[in-house]
Amino acid sequence: GAGVSQSPRYKVTKRGQDVALRCDPISGHVSLYWYRQALGQGPEFLTYFNYEAQQDKSGLPNDRFSAERPEGSISTLTIQRTEQRDSAMYRCASSLLPPGGAENEQFFGPGTRLTVL
Amino acid sequence: GQNIDQPTEMTATEGAIVQINCTYQTSGFNGLFWYQQHAGEAPTFLSYNVLDGLEEKGRFSSFLSRSKGYSYLLLKELQMKDSASYLCAVSNSGTYKYIFGTGTRLKVLA
Repeated sequence: GAGVSQSPRYKVTKRGQDVALRCDPISGHVSLYWYRQALGQGPEFLTYFNYEAQQDKSGLPNDRFSAERPEGSISTLTIQRTEQRDSAMYRCASSLLPPGGAENEQFFGPGTRLTVL
Repeated sequence: GQNIDQPTEMTATEGAIVQINCTYQTSGFNGLFWYQQHAGEAPTFLSYNVLDGLEEKGRFSSFLSRSKGYSYLLLKELQMKDSASYLCAVSNSGTYKYIFGTGTRLKVLA
């Protein structure tokens, strides 16, 4: 079956522009996670949702970053007024069940490589 | 706060056994995960431990000691395709968010 998909796969933008990154989780997966991953590092937690409810956004770097999942399926991570330091791989993951209490592996998408010039 | 430590790099020989350690500090614990990530690809799930002890899955095993804040991933009968980064991640028992370590880059030599 289809895995997690993300679009665009590559995004080049100029400093100061807004960008919207899309994540399409595996159908029926309750939880959706956003991470940022620098080269040679592990994924850095940004935020996650159970259904449409944002459970934890403590990893969002500042108020230029926001995320939504209005219908409990597709999610969008928006970065306003992009800066060069925002350049990174942004990864989305989904899991069948909410985290906690049981084995609940995350399925990761291919990521969006964001470059801010 | 939370902190996860893993060695940055390890090298081993094809056919050998390698153990990748992970130590963690967390204010609340709800499970530890190991993921494999090949260069340029997405992480993929390997194992999950929430109780102390050893979990075995084919050539891969994972061990957890909650009292010591310690886990290891054991890879047996190493193959060239096992060359990858191995990520340790801890689930926090407060909000259940996952915190990943920086990963251990394993090189398997012929």
